[in-house]
Amino acid sequence: QQQVKQSPQSLIVQKGGISIINCAYENTAFDYFPWYQQFPGKGPALLIAIRPDVSEKKEGRFTISFNKSAKQFSLHIMDSQPGDSATYFCAAPSGNTGKLIFGQGTTLQVKP
Amino acid sequence: GAVVSQHPSRVICKSGTSVKIECRSLDFQATTMFWYRQFPKQSLMLMATSNEGSKATYEQGVEKDKFLINHASLTLSTLTVTSAHPEDSSFYICSATPLAGVWNEQFFGPGTRLTVL
Repeated sequence: QQQVKQSPQSLIVQKGGISIINCAYENTAFDYFPWYQQFPGKGPALLIAIRPDVSEKKEGRFTISFNKSAKQFSLHIMDSQPGDSATYFCAAPSGNTGKLIFGQGTTLQVKP
Repeated sequence: GAVVSQHPSRVICKSGTSVKIECRSLDFQATTMFWYRQFPKQSLMLMATSNEGSKATYEQGVEKDKFLINHASLTLSTLTVTSAHPEDSSFYICSATPLAGVWNEQFFGPGTRLTVL
């Protein structure tokens, strides 16, 4: 069973700062690692995802950095805004079933 | 694109009744739909995986007779919580993987808040 460990559990950042959330996964031969953003009372929304054939992927203010040898990947939110305040989940594939295993979540608060 | 809807968004029912939650992919056909449950301030717990025309595959510890899943078409899956009890109160979320998309890619619905009195 795939395990995904996410840290930190919570994070407070000043507006304009960089938010960094980390995830570690176990052995996997699969190639898709997404990050989801969830606001209270809403379903998770796919934010950005990466395949391990690249070490970094950037979409706007959001960047995923991927370290295949360390089995780690991280989400960087540049120029963090109060509207980014949400819970973020990383995920990794589990087996060949299309299932995803989610990290424990990180609650981000961006202070104005 | 890749919009998933759920209905109802919120339901309150009495203990012992059954509740049906619908999950629809609005602008794509889905190979697979997933059902999750989420308790406050916790992560998503996968309950079951469902493919159109097949029996759902339930995760360990999830009672298949309690949580009935029907996957009638490539755009619709339903979850029925049978004989609901207060401990079934939770946030239920479905997701769908597009037929013509990236393997493992899942798009989530807005969730259904179930409260059992």
